[in-house]
Amino acid sequence: AQKITQTQPGMFVQEKEAVTLDCTYDTSDPSYGLFWYKQPSSGEMIFLIYQGSYDQQNATEGRYSLNFQKARKSANLVISASQLGDSAMYFCAMRASNNDMRFGAGTRLTVKP
Amino acid sequence: EPEVTQTPSHQVTQMGQEVILRCVPISNHLYFYWYRQILGQKVEFLVSFYNNEISEKSEIFDDQFSVERPDGSNFTLKIRSTKLEDSAMYFCASSELAGTDTQYFGPGTRLTVL
Repeated sequence: AQKITQTQPGMFVQEKEAVTLDCTYDTSDPSYGLFWYKQPSSGEMIFLIYQGSYDQQNATEGRYSLNFQKARKSANLVISASQLGDSAMYFCAMRASNNDMRFGAGTRLTVKP
Repeated sequence: EPEVTQTPSHQVTQMGQEVILRCVPISNHLYFYWYRQILGQKVEFLVSFYNNEISEKSEIFDDQFSVERPDGSNFTLKIRSTKLEDSAMYFCASSELAGTDTQYFGPGTRLTVL
C-alpha cells in the first residue's frame, strides 16, 4: 500500500529566507512519481514540481526544488527566497503504476514579512 | 495555457437530493480523475476514468457515486442521494498519460449539503 507522510502541520519562514517542507513516502512499486501541490486560501490546487523515481537528478522549477533521497524515501520541497505569496497549504503526493494518487496531510506555510 | 475547468464553483443542496458536478478536462488529456477534500483535511482520491471506463476507484466511491463522459469534452460526477458528510470540495483532474504523469487540477466545486 502507498503512504505519504507530512509531519509538519505548520511552518513559519521569514520573507526572503529558504524553507524545507518534509515528505516521506512508502511504496513497494519500483516506478512512482512524487508531486508537490500548493493550495492557497482560495482553494485551488496548483501543481508545483514533479520527481520520477528513476530520475537521477533532483527536480527544480524556479524557486522550487525537490530534495529526493530515494534510499530514505523522502521527497522534501525546498522553497528558496520565500515570498509573502508563498503562504499556503502544501501537499506532497505520490502516484505509482496504478492511477491512484495519494496525498499527505499537508503543511501550512506562513511567510512572515 | 490550457486548464481544467469546473462548474459550478459552489453548489448548495438538500440532503437526499442528486447533484451533478461538471468538469472540462484539458483537451488532449485522456485520463480523468475526481478527488474530494473535506474542509481542513487532506485530498482523497475517488475515481479515475479512461476510455469511457472507470479504471480505479477508492472505497469512498460507493454506489451513490457515478461518473460519466457524456460528450467529447465534459466529465461529470453524480452523487445520487447526498448526505451531510458529502459536503466537501470536489476536484477534477486530468492527465495526458497514465502512470506517473502529472495531473492538473481544476479549481474545485464546493458542495454544501444541508
